[in-house]
Amino acid sequence: QSALTQPASVSGSPGQSISIPCTGTSSDVGGYDYVSWYQQRPGEAPKLMIYDVSSRPSGVSDRFSGSKYANTASLTISGLQAEDEAHYYCSSYASGDTWVFGGGTKVTVL
Amino acid sequence: QVQLVQSWPEVKEPGASVTISCRASGYTFARHNMHWVRQAPGRGFEWMGIINPRGVIPTYAQKFQGRVTLSRDISTNTFYMELSSLRSDDTAVYYCARDSTSWYVDVWGRGTLVTVSS
Repeated sequence: QSALTQPASVSGSPGQSISIPCTGTSSDVGGYDYVSWYQQRPGEAPKLMIYDVSSRPSGVSDRFSGSKYANTASLTISGLQAEDEAHYYCSSYASGDTWVFGGGTKVTVL
Repeated sequence: QVQLVQSWPEVKEPGASVTISCRASGYTFARHNMHWVRQAPGRGFEWMGIINPRGVIPTYAQKFQGRVTLSRDISTNTFYMELSSLRSDDTAVYYCARDSTSWYVDVWGRGTLVTVSS
């Protein structure tokens, strides 16, 4: 049950697009379409942004999208805005009915 | 609306145990499993385990096997997480988090800070 791998930080200018990769193995990300992404601002509980790899909950901006190829999932934020500055965490179902998180990525809007 | 109300912060000495509660409301209790997740200061999330409200044996993360016990009381719609043999590196915010039925969390509790210090 190793953590998924995310870059520690990603930055971009307003209006740009950025992508955050989340790399696992065939026992988690690569083996199941149960990848989800969460946004967390300081002092707040996490907020669901993407589920089932690429589905977006109601109320989440369509600037957020998710995808997956092999053992790597990605969260893309297009049209970057100042309000997108936060930490983002990926998670995945893993074999044995367990769940695993990525280490988190701090998104900075320049 | 759906709410998960967690118990108050705790301060414990090393070696002690802590029990956190999570009272669910606004939905049918038996329909959703509950995850427990923790976040140490300045760190990412760690999944601890999941419990089925219908009484199936919980599943625990390997790291916490033998130290964590998840339980529930269907009469009060409350989930519990007990962590024993506390160490200083167990200092963290502990969250209960409702599983949607598709291995993602759609509702989070506000978190309970547990501080382990002598």
